[in-house]
Formats: sequence, C-alpha cells, structure tokens
Amino acid sequence: ILNVEQSPQSLHVQEGDSTNFTCSFPSSNFYALHWYRWETAKSPEALFVMTLNGDEKKKGRISATLNTKEGYSYLYIKGSQPEDSATYLCAASDPVGGYQKVTFGTGTKLQVIP
Amino acid sequence: DGGITQSPKYLFRKEGQNVTLSCEQNLNHDAMYWYRQDPGQGLRLIYYSQIVNDFQKGDIAEGYSVSREKKESFPLTVTSAQKNPTAFYLCASSISGFGTDTQYFGPGTRLTVL
Repeated sequence: ILNVEQSPQSLHVQEGDSTNFTCSFPSSNFYALHWYRWETAKSPEALFVMTLNGDEKKKGRISATLNTKEGYSYLYIKGSQPEDSATYLCAASDPVGGYQKVTFGTGTKLQVIP
Repeated sequence: DGGITQSPKYLFRKEGQNVTLSCEQNLNHDAMYWYRQDPGQGLRLIYYSQIVNDFQKGDIAEGYSVSREKKESFPLTVTSAQKNPTAFYLCASSISGFGTDTQYFGPGTRLTVL
C-alpha cells in the first residue's frame, strides 16, 4: 500500500490570499499523481493528473507541480475565493500486477473566509 | 447526462444484516471502484474491477463482496462479517483502470448500522 500524506490537514485563509498545500508519496515505483477537489455535498472532481518529474499543470487560479525524485507535489491557489472552499485530495498510483491502484491521501480542507 | 448514480443516499440497517449498495454508470467506462471514507481518513479502496466478470480486492476488502456481471453496474454488499460498517461509501469509474486515468465519482451512500 502506498503511503500518501497531505499537509496541512486544514487551512483557513482570507479571500484574496494565495495558498498552497503539499502531497508527499514514495518516490520509488511512482506512476501518476492526481489532484481532486471535493466540495461539500458534491462528488470529488478531478483537477489534474501528472506523471513526469517537473510537470506543471494549471487551471484558472489553481496550479500544481510534481517532483517525482523527492516524492512530492504542490497545489497552489492564487487569490483564493470563497468558492475555492473544499477538501483537496491527492492520489498516487503505482503498478500492481496488471492493474494500477490509486491510493488517496487524507485531504486538505480549505476554508476561504470572505 | 452521463454519470454515476448511487442509491440510496442514506441507508440504515440493523447489526447483523447484509446490505447491498448500488452503483451504476452510463459513461461506458471499463473500470469501477468502491471506496470507503471514515472521519479523518482518506478514501480507502475496498474493491475494484477493470473488466466485466473480473474484480480485485483493495486494501480493506474483508467483510465486503462485489459482482460485475454488467459493464455499467458494480454493486457492493456489506456483509455481517464487516466489523464496523458505518461509513460513507463512494463508487467511481474510469475509462480503463490505468493509474493515469481520471476517476469519476458518484454522490455516495451513507450507511448507518444500528
């Protein structure tokens, strides 16, 4: 079982602040890293998937980077808005036989205060 | 609209009873997954299936059973052998089951065993 850790566990920021969270995973046997956003009363939705060391992805004010050599990914939110309030999950996968399981971290719960 | 449906949203059962949670998808995805979420924990994989009539145990399969007789359906049975079945259950699907595939989630079923 992969050990995927996220920090911080929760975060409160003021509207307009920029923020970032960390996802760490074992650097050996890595295959892919996913970020999902999970708003209250909704289903988790995919933000990014990254596979290569140095990958950077961006969607609006949200961006992510990947360092596979040291085993971490950062998620950045620029100018946080109340609608960014959600739990952000990362998930890593490694090859397991013919199937490739994804292991989720515990998430970072972000609350943006208007 | 394409998507994943889970029913019911809330489910109450008496201790010792088996209960089956429904998951249906019309996305034409080959792979389907069942996760469990408990407070303070990440999504933990119960079972996954990459093709019809085939499925694999995840990290916490004890006390659960699944079937995959149709591509669009992946029901989960919580048996009386599951020692702590009260939890939030999420079903997901992906195109092929590879670690780079985005997973699409249903709305979840909250099971309470009394």
